[in-house]
Amino acid sequence: NAGVMQNPRHLVRRRGQEARLRCSPMKGHSHVYWYRQLPEEGLKFMVYLQKENIIDESGMPKERFSAEFPKEGPSILRIQQVVRGDSAAYFCASSPRLGESNAKLFFGSGTQLSVL
Amino acid sequence: KQEVTQIPAALSVPEGENLVLNCSFTDSAIYNLQWFRQDPGKGLTSLLLIQSSQREQTSGRLNASLDKSSGRSTLYIAASQPGDSATYLCAVRRNNDMRFGAGTRLTVKP
Repeated sequence: NAGVMQNPRHLVRRRGQEARLRCSPMKGHSHVYWYRQLPEEGLKFMVYLQKENIIDESGMPKERFSAEFPKEGPSILRIQQVVRGDSAAYFCASSPRLGESNAKLFFGSGTQLSVL
Repeated sequence: KQEVTQIPAALSVPEGENLVLNCSFTDSAIYNLQWFRQDPGKGLTSLLLIQSSQREQTSGRLNASLDKSSGRSTLYIAASQPGDSATYLCAVRRNNDMRFGAGTRLTVKP
């Protein structure tokens, strides 16, 4: 059973370009979370999605950032017109069910985005 | 708003020592608390999960405690080894997301 798969591992973009980060949850998991980690800081929640639904995007910047989790295929975190401040590690996590007190989150290895 | 704090930010110990990492949170209405390990440039590995109704969990040389009323958790590592060197993150879960502390960077010297 493969874990949470994220690609690419490293992504380099110039200012103004678009970045697309992909996340395939663990098999059987229908809940996906995106987190951002800046150097020397903890992980910051961005968005929580179920298949075809955005459940909570309270951590997403209001502009340039969007996320989706289609019925088929991976979840995508899209950053338009990237700026240097977007440089960070972006982690995806998945879990089988919401709301159960023993539901663990399983994390991918992350995508390191570098904006030149 | 839930705030999660980890103390100390960094810790260096000689091999073989027992050590305690601390985590505090401001809102006690949580589903669970989870301790993770993160190696440089890598993702997070779950170590222990404590449900809100539990007081502690143990796995090998690791023991995590939870005092929900005071908003505190500790991660105890016995007989530390150089391979334990990593950043340790605690996270509390309520509703849709987990809130993370900034982590404790642990170095165990041979």
